[in-house]
Amino acid sequence: DIVMTQSPDSLAVSLGERATINCKSSQSVLYSSNNKNYLTWYQQKPGQPPKLLIYWASTRESGVPDRFSGSGSGTDFTLTISSLQAEDVAIYYCQQCYNTPRTFGGGTRVEIK
Amino acid sequence: QVLLVQSGAEVKKPGASVRVSCKTSGYSFTSYDVTWVRQAPGQGLEWMGWMNPDSGNAGYAQQFQGRLTMTRDTSISTAYMELNSLRSEDTAVYYCARGTHDLDVWGQGTTVTVSS
Repeated sequence: DIVMTQSPDSLAVSLGERATINCKSSQSVLYSSNNKNYLTWYQQKPGQPPKLLIYWASTRESGVPDRFSGSGSGTDFTLTISSLQAEDVAIYYCQQCYNTPRTFGGGTRVEIK
Repeated sequence: QVLLVQSGAEVKKPGASVRVSCKTSGYSFTSYDVTWVRQAPGQGLEWMGWMNPDSGNAGYAQQFQGRLTMTRDTSISTAYMELNSLRSEDTAVYYCARGTHDLDVWGQGTTVTVSS
């Protein structure tokens, strides 16, 4: 199984500041035939199901604010919130969709400093 | 509007089975896979498996092999997840979601509590 490791476990950022979350996979999730990274980011707020933010490592889902961006390739990925808003307080998960089981990272809790 | 609406909370005894339904609407049911994910209290997300509603083919995470079955009823656009031989560690919120690689719409979640 591909192991997904997120860091940090939690971070506190001031409103309007940048938040950066890292995700590392134990093997590459880059599919050579189409040059796409099968890496997805989700946001989960308390009591709610996860919400799709970014797929293929860097493609923003429709309706997701452009302060959210994804980057990286192969085994190392980053989710960046460029200017943290109060409504961004949540837990963020990465997931690899390269093969099954489609494993998730352990999550990163983002709070307001 | 695409919706996935799950069945209500369940309380089961150890060794019992549970079946959770996921009724879909607003899109062609057979055109998208359905994935099931669970979340134990205070824990992260755990991928359980997926099903192709068109063919009925399904794939399960190894830790659930032999206990987990995913089925569907295309006439009512509904997917089902059945987990057998329940143990306390299966206490969790169970989610269905549309898709395989990017889960773009999720059900509201079904709480399953396993307790004697």
